[in-house]
Amino acid sequence: EAQVTQNPRYLITVTGKKLTVTCSQNMNHEYMSWYRQDPGLGLRQIYYSMNVEVTDKGDVPEGYKVSRKEKRNFPLILESPSPNQTSLYFCASSLKGTSYEQYFGPGTRLTVT
Amino acid sequence: SQELEQSPQSLIVQEGKNLTINCTSSKTLYGLYWYKQKYGEGLIFLMMLQKGGEEKSHEKITAKLDEKKQQSSLHITASQPSHAGIYLCGADPQNDMRFGAGTRLTVKP
Repeated sequence: EAQVTQNPRYLITVTGKKLTVTCSQNMNHEYMSWYRQDPGLGLRQIYYSMNVEVTDKGDVPEGYKVSRKEKRNFPLILESPSPNQTSLYFCASSLKGTSYEQYFGPGTRLTVT
Repeated sequence: SQELEQSPQSLIVQEGKNLTINCTSSKTLYGLYWYKQKYGEGLIFLMMLQKGGEEKSHEKITAKLDEKKQQSSLHITASQPSHAGIYLCGADPQNDMRFGAGTRLTVKP
């Protein structure tokens, strides 16, 4: 089944404790992206990747890192999480870019205390 | 940067009624995407509009793009409870995606 998977689905952590949210797709897509969704602010793009080893900042990249060493994986790294990074995070992928249908993962709900 | 404003923010309709959701861009629209999100879940692609005047339909959902007005509308005919969710419009100036804040649709049986 074609899908985007994210892990973990739920995470509660403390300020400053490094964490990684994994994202994997099995559709051989070149484009992958991370978004965060907050009430009243909608869905905002954090980082995106056009292909392996190519990443670019989205709208709200501060406090996040990403890497794209393999085509299928696009982990999101929070080196020192803060409470303002409490949010619902989505990973997405598409064949070549946003002009193609994006497939979204189920979301990761992160709480930073 | 490109801003997308959706209206209304929320909508409650009786099952069987028609409804329209609008998405207005602060800049010229070269492509406009509609997605649907069930509460707390990932987004599902509905359709993409790329040319002015373009109109697409998927089941009972029709979307149009008016380039001159920098606006797109999504119309649902004879709404059903399965249409409930959050509808988001998106635009991609250069592969960095922007979304509107969403319109929350409730359909009462």
